Amino acid sequence: DVKVTQSSRYLVKRTGEKVFLECVQDMDHENMFWYRQDPGLGLRLIYFSYDVKMKEKGDIPEGYSVSREKKERFSLILESASTNQTSMYLCASSHRLATSKNIQYFGAGTRLSVL
Amino acid sequence: AQTVTQSQPEMSVQEAETVTLSCTYDTSENNYYLFWYKQPPSRQMILVIRQEAYKQQNATENRFSVNFQKAAKSFSLKISDSQLGDTAMYFCAFMKHARRADSWGKFQFGAGTQVVVTP
Repeated sequence: DVKVTQSSRYLVKRTGEKVFLECVQDMDHENMFWYRQDPGLGLRLIYFSYDVKMKEKGDIPEGYSVSREKKERFSLILESASTNQTSMYLCASSHRLATSKNIQYFGAGTRLSVL
Repeated sequence: AQTVTQSQPEMSVQEAETVTLSCTYDTSENNYYLFWYKQPPSRQMILVIRQEAYKQQNATENRFSVNFQKAAKSFSLKISDSQLGDTAMYFCAFMKHARRADSWGKFQFGAGTQVVVTP
């Protein structure tokens, strides 16, 4: 089974802190994604990486950055956390092969509270 | 840009009954993929069913089936013989067929429909 692991289920941080959310996948997937999930808004893509050191902005990249130094690991960074970044963050990964059926596999999520 | 609309924020259904969730999308693409994902309370999101736009036959997975109407840009999910374990948030997602690595595999999600199955 594909496993996508997010380092924390719950995090509480203070305004202005630098926050790192880590995601690791064990299936050698090329693509990795960071989403933000808010009630009534569904999942919104923050950033997307299609290879090591490669990244693309999603729909809501402001206030976030990402790092992908190794294929299996994709980090989301909040340079200076703000209260409006309180949310559920989901990591996902997928193969880029046509035979993969384009399925994204998700981690359990990190619920971040910024006080 | 593609948009995905789920017009039902919440639906309630009794055990063993059938419920249908609606999803519409807006795109100018001809080749794309559609998905339904399920997110149970406090649990990971998992794939329920997927459909390729070039296939006219509706996908089915056990008690889950879709009604894909390409011209109407509609992709509804039917859950038959509902079970308590079907209680979850259900998300519809769209992915366009892309050739470049920097655009392959990105999803657009709807806002979700909360399904509550009652005894």
